[in-house]
Amino acid sequence: DAGVIQSPRHEVTEMGQEVTLRCKPISGHDYLFWYRQTMMRGLELLIYFNNNVPIDDSGMPEDRFSAKMPNASFSTLKIQPSEPRDSAVYFCASGTSGSYEQYFGPGTRLTVT
Amino acid sequence: DAKTTQPPSMDCAEGRAANLPCNHSTISGNEYVYWYRQIHSQGPQYIIHGLKNNETNEMASLIITEDRKSSTLILPHATLRDTAVYYCIVRLHTGANSKLTFGKGITLSVRP
Repeated sequence: DAGVIQSPRHEVTEMGQEVTLRCKPISGHDYLFWYRQTMMRGLELLIYFNNNVPIDDSGMPEDRFSAKMPNASFSTLKIQPSEPRDSAVYFCASGTSGSYEQYFGPGTRLTVT
Repeated sequence: DAKTTQPPSMDCAEGRAANLPCNHSTISGNEYVYWYRQIHSQGPQYIIHGLKNNETNEMASLIITEDRKSSTLILPHATLRDTAVYYCIVRLHTGANSKLTFGKGITLSVRP
């Protein structure tokens, strides 16, 4: 299995631009999580899905952030418009209710200038 | 989920055991202790978890005190590749079906 796949691995954009981060979970996993990591706040959950349905989006910072999961093999995290304070590493993770671990992708390093 | 306290850093010599402590004095009876680690520039990786009994797998051992207020992750023969940030997490669920709440973790440096 290829593991959790995230794209792009690095993204540099200018303030005000729209940014879309993508995630492909491990096949068969029914939970998908989006985390963000910054030096100031550490690793924090943004949102998670179960069977493509958002379960907890309380960590989404504001309306500029949105996440979708149109099918079991794909999810997006969109920031519109982006701001410099959105600069962070964004991780996607997947798992199943029958497993005890979450499998993390390699992350997308976002820099907003 | 209960809060955890870890020292900010520690080091150990390659080939020696690394004992990483974690305090979780407010843990409730049905909360599990999980350990994840994050090697530089990678996503976190699951290591081990337990409820009250000591646990061992191919990566590490987890020792939980009888009162469950603290635990120790043991890497029996640390290698340079074990240099990472190690997170101790206490959570209600045993499955992957809820969020992980990461603290600051402990940075382990393995020296040659």
